[in-house]
Amino acid sequence: EVQVVESGGGLVQPGGSLRLSCAASGFTFSDHFMDWVRQAPGKGLEWVGRTRNEANTHTTEYAASVKGRFTISRDDSKNSLYLQINSLKTEDTAVYYCAVDLGYNIGGTWYSNFRHWGQGTLVTVSS
Amino acid sequence: DIQMTQSPSSLSASVGDRVTITCRASQTISSYLNWYQQKPGKAPKLLIYAASSLQSGVPSRFSGSASGTDFTLTISSLQPEDFATYYCQQSYSIPRTFGQGTKVEIK
Repeated sequence: EVQVVESGGGLVQPGGSLRLSCAASGFTFSDHFMDWVRQAPGKGLEWVGRTRNEANTHTTEYAASVKGRFTISRDDSKNSLYLQINSLKTEDTAVYYCAVDLGYNIGGTWYSNFRHWGQGTLVTVSS
Repeated sequence: DIQMTQSPSSLSASVGDRVTITCRASQTISSYLNWYQQKPGKAPKLLIYAASSLQSGVPSRFSGSASGTDFTLTISSLQPEDFATYYCQQSYSIPRTFGQGTKVEIK
């Protein structure tokens, strides 16, 4: 059974930093892309970024709204994903979800999706 | 970036109703479209992937279809547990983008 558990959220002052963690189990972590998605209070889902798998040398992508302030990393030996958040702004207040891109191969074409999600961790940026 | 536009943003329906939610992509995304259901305080749950494939364990009253850049999620007979917010998401390109959500409420 796939399990994904985020941790590290909390109350931070504007300009501060925080490191979120995501512990995964139940699948071969190193084989899969991992993403962060956030959701501001009462708002919709916003993709934050991703790290690719070992075969793709763990390259990363980011949403324009967080590029330069957020850093995604992973430790395949610990089946863990991380999100380093710097220079926090009040608009970064959100529940941050770790999402597993397990995808499906249909007729030789790979269809990416977020098949599994953690329960989320709340980051509140306020003075 | 690919914009995903969902409609309606909310709807009221009764148990047993047929419900249709539409998502339009700003450019072609082939069948790279997923649908999620989210209940208050919970993480999203994958319902449909590749525009029309039903995720394992999801009731067959949920279905997805596509026509060009227009995608539809249909609930054939709304059940009490289906009252939630539904999101579409494109997996054609980076950045991944979601629709703004459709909240299905009890009439």
